[in-house]
Amino acid sequence: QITLKESGPTLVKPTQTLTLTCTFSGFSLSTSGVGVGWIRQPPGKALEWLALIFWANDKHYSPALKSRLTINKDTSKNQVVLIMTNVDPVDTATYYCAHRIVALGAYDYWGQGTQVTVSS
Amino acid sequence: DIAMTQSPDSLAVSLGERATINCKSSQTILYNSDNKNYLAWYQQKPGQPPKLLIYWASIRESGVPDRFSGSGSGKDFTLTISSLQAEDVAVYHCQQYYSSPPTFGQGTKLEIK
Repeated sequence: QITLKESGPTLVKPTQTLTLTCTFSGFSLSTSGVGVGWIRQPPGKALEWLALIFWANDKHYSPALKSRLTINKDTSKNQVVLIMTNVDPVDTATYYCAHRIVALGAYDYWGQGTQVTVSS
Repeated sequence: DIAMTQSPDSLAVSLGERATINCKSSQTILYNSDNKNYLAWYQQKPGQPPKLLIYWASIRESGVPDRFSGSGSGKDFTLTISSLQAEDVAVYHCQQYYSSPPTFGQGTKLEIK
């Protein structure tokens, strides 16, 4: 049974750095074809893809946010960490991590999401 | 980036009736080498994460009721719910994974009439 859970601060001040952790179970990020991505959803708005890391440590970023994002994995802890620098109120959103495999393409398992508010 | 546009933005359908949601991509998402359309549909109920319904444009995810079906190819796609149930009230999202960055439609809110 695959599960993912996001954790991190609920409130961050503008210009600060946001660190989110995705802790998962039921799969290994050392298994060929497996990836974990981050997607966010501002209140009442559309889903926005942020970043993805694959089993071989191949990393992909949203071009619009690439300069501010870093994604890393800790296979031994079953965790993926997303770091976003210089946050702004427009980064206020629910942040989801999700599982995908290369053969499927789509994200088949999602965490419940963690709400992040950027405000002074 | 490939832009995904859904229509309508919202939809009200009577219980037991058919619901149809459209999704159009700004360029083809049909990969010629494998003849697959790189499109997924998700259902999102209030306060919940998205749930994968359909991938490769028409393959139903395990456990998804067969009243949900996906169709289309190239740039135009459709999600159909053949007989609307009360539990189908949700926002539906399409997503392309043909090229990076993967992009989502703006969502379609489905309600009961």
